[in-house]
Amino acid sequence: GQNIDQPTEMTATEGAIVQINCTYQTSGFNGLFWYQQHAGEAPTFLSYNVLDGLEEKGRFSSFLSRSKGYSYLLLKELQMKDSASYLCARGGSSNTGKLIFGQGTTLQVKP
Amino acid sequence: GAGVSQSPSNKVTEKGKDVELRCDPISGHTALYWYRQSLGQGLEFLIYFQGNSAPDKSGLPSDRFSAERTGGSVSTLTIQRTQQEDSAVYLCASSLDGGLTDTQYFGPGTRLTVL
Repeated sequence: GQNIDQPTEMTATEGAIVQINCTYQTSGFNGLFWYQQHAGEAPTFLSYNVLDGLEEKGRFSSFLSRSKGYSYLLLKELQMKDSASYLCARGGSSNTGKLIFGQGTTLQVKP
Repeated sequence: GAGVSQSPSNKVTEKGKDVELRCDPISGHTALYWYRQSLGQGLEFLIYFQGNSAPDKSGLPSDRFSAERTGGSVSTLTIQRTQQEDSAVYLCASSLDGGLTDTQYFGPGTRLTVL
């Protein structure tokens, strides 16, 4: 299987840092994506990792360890608008580009 | 258009009826995907189109589900004899050429409710 696990819910305070973890089965790995989805809206692309290490994009960073089947999304200087679901997804083992998603982590940012 | 569009945004139907959901991908994108998002669940892959062909239909849950794409653009997902378990948000995404590293751009989805 290609199970992807991430926490269901997280809460953090405005201005703080939060790390959202994601683990996945490593067989046939084709890259790890993070998407943000506000309630009732379309998922929007945040980051893509295919090599080990940290990719930084402004307040958001994403880390990958292929040997451990582990990724995290790091959000710094949290803002209220960061309250959303964060979806971890890996490429499927076929070469069609389809994505296998975790159930998503709902992040609530409190004042 | 500027992004992926889907219609209708909401659809309420009675059990046993057929429904059609439409997706307009980003102009020039050859790859198109359909996903389903049920309450409390992650996005579930349904079908992938490259041009007008569907090389991967592995996610379609039953033979009541079918999809087509015409002119390498618009796609229609059809659900026949709808069941209550079909209630979900149906999301369409497109990408430039369906490559493994391609970013997929999602539409706003169609919320289907089967009574």
